[in-house]
Amino acid sequence: EAGVAQSPRYKIIEKRQSVAFWCNPISGHATLYWYQQILGQGPKLLIQFQNNGVVDDSQLPKDRFSAERLKGVDSTLKIQPAKLEDSAVYLCASSLALPTNYGYTFGSGTRLTVV
Amino acid sequence: AQSVTQPDIHITVSEGASLELRCNYSYGATPYLFWYVQSPGQGLQLLLKYFSGDTLVQGIKGFEAEFKRSQSSFNLRKPSVHWSDAAEYFCAVGARAAGNKLTFGGGTRVLVKP
Repeated sequence: EAGVAQSPRYKIIEKRQSVAFWCNPISGHATLYWYQQILGQGPKLLIQFQNNGVVDDSQLPKDRFSAERLKGVDSTLKIQPAKLEDSAVYLCASSLALPTNYGYTFGSGTRLTVV
Repeated sequence: AQSVTQPDIHITVSEGASLELRCNYSYGATPYLFWYVQSPGQGLQLLLKYFSGDTLVQGIKGFEAEFKRSQSSFNLRKPSVHWSDAAEYFCAVGARAAGNKLTFGGGTRVLVKP
């Protein structure tokens, strides 16, 4: 099966600019996650979708970050305006909604550098 | 709230030697536990997972992990390390009550000496 697709792979922007990342999950996976991985740290959940509804966005900096999954399939994460501390790898993951399966599959990520 | 601690930031091991990576978690109920590996520039690959049952879990690439409830630990082991095992390893805890989200530890970087 095809994996989780993310684009772009790399992005360099200046602070205060805006940027958007795209994720296409594995077909049939109802749950989609965006994680932020700062260099030298483990991934941290930003937002979790179940179909097109938000399950958890408690750690999403809502003053600058937004995410949507309008049709319950692919998703977009946006940062506006970007800060230097947003430099990180943004990982998208998807899974079936069955906890015993826990078919969590991660994409390769988008590496963002804010200068 | 759930949390994960990986006490070792870096570990250097000789090729062919055994490897053990430590992971301690904090969660009130029975957690789901995972080990992921991340090679440079790559995404996260699942090595193994524990949900219930046998506390010794076998994974891919010759890795295994043991769940010890009394110690709140889920240590990863490999009897004989290959140079290709050089990577960063992340322990993670999840729980259905927490919406299946994963909480990751800070990672352990493994260097393999020839």
